[in-house]
Amino acid sequence: EVQLVQSGAEVREPGESLKISCKASGYSFHTYWIGWVRQMPGKGLEWMGIIHPVDSDTRYSPSFQGQVTISVDNFVKTAYLQWSSLKASDTAMYYCARRSTSPAPLDYWGQGTLVTVSS
Amino acid sequence: SYVLTQPPSVSVVPGETARITCGGNNIRSKSVHWYQQKPGQAPVLVIYYDSDRPSGIPERFSGSNSGNTATLTINRVGAGDEADYFCQVWESSSDRGVFGGGTKLTVL
Repeated sequence: EVQLVQSGAEVREPGESLKISCKASGYSFHTYWIGWVRQMPGKGLEWMGIIHPVDSDTRYSPSFQGQVTISVDNFVKTAYLQWSSLKASDTAMYYCARRSTSPAPLDYWGQGTLVTVSS
Repeated sequence: SYVLTQPPSVSVVPGETARITCGGNNIRSKSVHWYQQKPGQAPVLVIYYDSDRPSGIPERFSGSNSGNTATLTINRVGAGDEADYFCQVWESSSDRGVFGGGTKLTVL
């Protein structure tokens, strides 16, 4: 069974760093890209970026380029999304999802990680 | 960058047909995917490559793509279909993803 299991909810203060994770199982990890999607409270889905596990080829949305870093660890079949300095506006639910070769869909999604940034 | 436009809301009476549109410049040249998101849950893929249906998705869900508009059609709508629906494509040159703004389907 394909599963993407994300790390738990986080509460941080502005300026702090954070790294959340997305652990894959049930499929060949090297065959699929892993993407990240943001959903701010009461809002729609925003595509942040995507990474390929084999060579760490990463594509970022212009809106998130330089604001976050997407990485992957093949040994533990896990993708990561990290911030070096959080802002209150980063408060949102973050989803990971897998994709085959473009223009394939995001066919399996993680359960989401809620990030709250507040002083 | 590429823009997808969805109506914010669509309302339908139980048993009737709901049609949710997704507009984009020459969208027929792209593969459109549709996701359903119920409150408090992660999105679920309901239509991919314009009109294909994943296993487990009822046949009541269908999709089409022509000209500048892609359409998600839900036949015999029930209360369980009430959700937000998002269309999505990939920009060909950059392989960056784009989502529509989402449409809230209300079953009256």
